[in-house]
Amino acid sequence: DVKVTQSSRYLVKRTGEKVFLECVQDMDHENMFWYRQDPGLGLRLIYFSYDVKMKEKGDIPEGYSVSREKKERFSLILESASTYQTSMYLCASGVYNEQFFGPGTRLTVL
Amino acid sequence: DAKTTQPPSMDCAEGRAANLPCNHSTISGNEYVYWYRQIHSQGPQYIIHGLKNNETNEMASLIITEDRKSSTLILPHATLRDTAVYYCIVSTSAGGTSYGKLTFGQGTILTVHP
Repeated sequence: DVKVTQSSRYLVKRTGEKVFLECVQDMDHENMFWYRQDPGLGLRLIYFSYDVKMKEKGDIPEGYSVSREKKERFSLILESASTYQTSMYLCASGVYNEQFFGPGTRLTVL
Repeated sequence: DAKTTQPPSMDCAEGRAANLPCNHSTISGNEYVYWYRQIHSQGPQYIIHGLKNNETNEMASLIITEDRKSSTLILPHATLRDTAVYYCIVSTSAGGTSYGKLTFGQGTILTVHP
C-alpha cells in the first residue's frame, strides 16, 4: 500500500515563527502536493512538485514556500507564521490525478 | 478544468446501493471524471476515474452518460464506514506541469444509516 506520512498530526506555533511541515512518500511518485483545508472553502492547492527541485504554484501560494531536495520528501515552509495560516494541511503524492493523501497536520498559529 | 455540481447531502440505508450524482456539463473531450472521498479526520481517498466508458473497481462503479455531461458513482452495498464526503472532480490527465491539478469542491456528504 502507498504510504504518505506527515511529520506531525497536531502543531501549535506562535505568530512570526518559521514552520516546517514535512511529507514523505514511499512509492517513488514523481508528483507531490500540498493542500490546505478550511471549513466552507474545501481543499485548496498551495504548491506542487513534479520532479526533484521542481515546483509549481498552486491556487494559494502566498505566504508559503516549498522544498523538494529528494524524490520522496516534500516540505512546506511558512517563513513567518500568521494566524490566517491556522488550518489543516494535507500532503499528497501520486501519478497523474490518482493522488494518495497523508493523514494531515492540524496547525494552529497563536 | 470544468466545474462540477453535486447535491450537498444524501442519505442511504446500510446494505443498499448509494448512487451519487454529479453534473459536469462543460466537460471537454480530454477531461476525465475523478471521484474521491474523505472520511472524517482523514485525508481524501481516491476511488475511481473514467473518461467515457463505465468503470468498476473493488470500491465502486462509475457510470458516465453518453454525452459525458453527468456521471453517477455507485457504491453497491453501502456500509456505515462509507459515511464520508464524496468529491466529483473533472480534470485533464495531461503531462507536464498540469499533472494532478485537482480542484476539490464542496462535495456530497453521504450518511449511511443502520
